[in-house]
Amino acid sequence: GAVVSQHPSRVICKSGTSVKIECRSLDFQATTMFWYRQFPKKSLMLMATSNEGSKATYEQGVEKDKFLINHASLTLSTLTVTSAHPEDSSFYICSAADSAGTYEQYFGPGTRLTVT
Amino acid sequence: QQPVQSPQAVILREGEDAVINCSSSKALYSVHWYRQKHGEAPVFLMILLKGGEQKGHEKISASFNEKKQQSSLYLTASQLSYSGTYFCGTDASGSARQLTFGSGTQLTVLP
Repeated sequence: GAVVSQHPSRVICKSGTSVKIECRSLDFQATTMFWYRQFPKKSLMLMATSNEGSKATYEQGVEKDKFLINHASLTLSTLTVTSAHPEDSSFYICSAADSAGTYEQYFGPGTRLTVT
Repeated sequence: QQPVQSPQAVILREGEDAVINCSSSKALYSVHWYRQKHGEAPVFLMILLKGGEQKGHEKISASFNEKKQQSSLYLTASQLSYSGTYFCGTDASGSARQLTFGSGTQLTVLP
């Protein structure tokens, strides 16, 4: 099956700093990647849709200036949490859809962000 | 709008069967099922497309009633490894593959 990696898997940062999370599709090309946020024992909440070569589409209520998304290539999307605060602490998961036309989304292993 | 999953939680003994339901208020193009274990990313199980096509795990079956906008996931002869939280993701757009996930069903299989 398709493999999606995320880096880092865990990160602890101080309040006010920025953190970059990378999402890579390892064995397929992904014109579209998705970023989700998940709180403990809760569902996946879609934050934004990342399209290669164009601006990301953000869901209602998600601050685009705070959560910067860049999808510079068909295998890499990045999420930067700017000026992080403790309430940004969460599990961030990306997924990628194979550009070959199939419908499956493949999820990365997630990044646990803790802001102190 | 988030699809509704039921039950919220279920506890089984190994070898027993379970059904997890997913219901949407919107017309759907596809329904996707995932299983997530604690602290890990969701793992793709199955996709059911409008028109009857299915792709997924050979030991797990599911149904999709397009008219009722409902899907059910059938877990038969459950194994310990089936434990986890099951999410359905619904696609109401048919184009961007954006999924809206249900609140999850926590399945625990006991020996």
